[in-house]
Amino acid sequence: EAGVVQSPRYKIIEKKQPVAFWCNPISGHNTLYWYLQNLGQGPELLIRYENEEAVDDSQLPKDRFSAERLKGVDSTLKIQPAELGDSAVYLCASSLDGGGNTDTQYFGPGTRLTVL
Amino acid sequence: AQSVAQPEDQVNVAEGNPLTVKCTYSVSGNPYLFWYVQYPNRGLQFLLKYITGDNLVKGSYGFEAEFNKSQTSFHLKKPSALVSDSALYFCASVGTGGFKTIFGAGTRLFVKA
Repeated sequence: EAGVVQSPRYKIIEKKQPVAFWCNPISGHNTLYWYLQNLGQGPELLIRYENEEAVDDSQLPKDRFSAERLKGVDSTLKIQPAELGDSAVYLCASSLDGGGNTDTQYFGPGTRLTVL
Repeated sequence: AQSVAQPEDQVNVAEGNPLTVKCTYSVSGNPYLFWYVQYPNRGLQFLLKYITGDNLVKGSYGFEAEFNKSQTSFHLKKPSALVSDSALYFCASVGTGGFKTIFGAGTRLFVKA
């Protein structure tokens, strides 16, 4: 079974430039998560989708961040414009059921963003 | 507010010795608790979870964790550490009534040969 796929794995951009991250969850997984992981810290939820619907985006900085999950499969997370403080690892995860509390989340390898 | 604490930034243990990685939690209602491991340049991998039932949960790679409600703890344990266990370990919780997973800051485990 293929795991969660993310691309690119690494991205270096200048501040104020836009950047986009792509995630393909495990086939059949209805719930998709985007997390931000700063160095030395645990992941922090940015947004959670159940199928196409964003059911929790309370931690997403909506002035510069946006996300979409068209057709309830792949998802894209965008930052525009990027700031120095956005340098971090962006993790995508998916789980099988409808966002149940007990679901195991399966994580992709992450995209390491460096903003210069 | 829901929170997870991992009081040790780093744990050092010799190969073959038992290891413990500590985790305490604060959630409303009954907690659902998880342990994940992260190897360099890789995403988090699920180790085990506590939902209900037996307080001792067994997981992948010989790891186990004990849920202690009175101490609000969920420490990760392994009877005999391997060098290959060296990694970053995260404890996480989800409170009933909410779906947001809260992660601890992580504990780096070093196992020396």
